Amino acid sequence: GAVVSQHPSWVICKSGTSVKIECRSLDFQATTMFWYRQFPKQSLMLMATSNEGSKATYEQGVEKDKFLINHASLTLSTLTVTSAHPEDSSFYICSASTGDWSYEQYFGPGTRLTVT
Amino acid sequence: GENVEQHPSTLSVQEGDSAVIKCTYSDSASNYFPWYKQELGKRPQLIIDIRSNVGEKKDQRIAVTLNKTAKHFSLHITETQPEDSAVYFCAANNDMRFGAGTRLTVKP
Repeated sequence: GAVVSQHPSWVICKSGTSVKIECRSLDFQATTMFWYRQFPKQSLMLMATSNEGSKATYEQGVEKDKFLINHASLTLSTLTVTSAHPEDSSFYICSASTGDWSYEQYFGPGTRLTVT
Repeated sequence: GENVEQHPSTLSVQEGDSAVIKCTYSDSASNYFPWYKQELGKRPQLIIDIRSNVGEKKDQRIAVTLNKTAKHFSLHITETQPEDSAVYFCAANNDMRFGAGTRLTVKP
């Protein structure tokens, strides 16, 4: 089946620093990748939709300058949390799809970010 | 976008009983409705999905029904087992949102 990896699986960083999270589709080409954050015992909150070679589409309330998304190839998307603050601590999950949202999404294992 | 609403938020059943989780959506143009299961600390996994040209789909103990007129769809799990315990999320593609999730507990 389709496999999506994420790296790192967890990261601790100091307030004010930036952190990059990678999302890779290992055995298929992902036309679209989605980034979510998930707080404990809560649902997945869509942050942005990213299509290869174009700018990401951010959801309302998500700061594009703070959460930089790059989808440079059909197998890689990156999320960079810039100038991280403790309130950015969360579980970040990516998903990849061979089409748009009407196609099955394959989720990465997630990245737990802790900002101290 | 508008939220997909999911009920109940928690559900506890006895092993062997059935469990039903319901979701409503707002965009009548939505045509793809997946259900995901997320076990503690793991990634969501697709368990079943349905498209708007079908009213019901079944896969062993799991079924999904869709009522386009009422804009709601439901997940049905029969003969529940302890390993069905997890959080279940619904989604509707045009709403681009997941439901709030239902924590299902199956008591042995």
